[in-house]
Amino acid sequence: AQKITQTQPGMFVQEKEAVTLDCTYDTSDPSYGLFWYKQPSSGEMIFLIYQGSYDQQNATEGRYSLNFQKARKSANLVISASQLGDSAMYFCAMSRGSGGYNKLIFGAGTRLAVHP
Amino acid sequence: EAGVVQSPRYKIIEKKQPVAFWCNPISGHNTLYWYRQNLGQGPELLIRYENEEAVDDSQLPKDRFSAERLKGVDSTLKIQPAELGDSAVYLCASSLDRLGKENEQFFGPGTRLTVL
Repeated sequence: AQKITQTQPGMFVQEKEAVTLDCTYDTSDPSYGLFWYKQPSSGEMIFLIYQGSYDQQNATEGRYSLNFQKARKSANLVISASQLGDSAMYFCAMSRGSGGYNKLIFGAGTRLAVHP
Repeated sequence: EAGVVQSPRYKIIEKKQPVAFWCNPISGHNTLYWYRQNLGQGPELLIRYENEEAVDDSQLPKDRFSAERLKGVDSTLKIQPAELGDSAVYLCASSLDRLGKENEQFFGPGTRLTVL
């Protein structure tokens, strides 16, 4: 069975600093996708970044980068130059296969607080 | 482009009452998902539609929950009768049937259900 583990219930970071949010996963499927979503207090899930299991390069999207270590089954999210607006819940998720039509398995989330 | 639309945003009912949630996905998205997010947890899939067909409803409590997606566009999720444990945020998402990065699921703002 697939499983996502986020071991950090909460994280604090100073504005303009970088922060790493941890995510480990467990699956026996050779093909899978890894996602990070941001959920602000408004409740909407906002897609941040995607990494496919066969991708050779670590994914990057602006200030977001994904540190993908396949052998360790980890997919940590790195946010550079934190902003106050980054304060939110962050969820790591996994899909079976790289198709978009599969369900996402989510972790429990990490609450990030950015301080001025 | 309009995002995923859900209504109502909030609903408060007494236990044993029925309740229904409505979702309008992004135009052209053939896959629609209903997730339930309990407080302090990540979303969990209830049901997934490909066009009009429910292709994954293994997590849907079928004794009290039902869903439909007529004409492969809008969808309705119903609970009858509601129980105290059904209090949660119900999220609707939609996606294209694509591979890789283009398979991201777009989420609506959710409906926050409180059962008294």
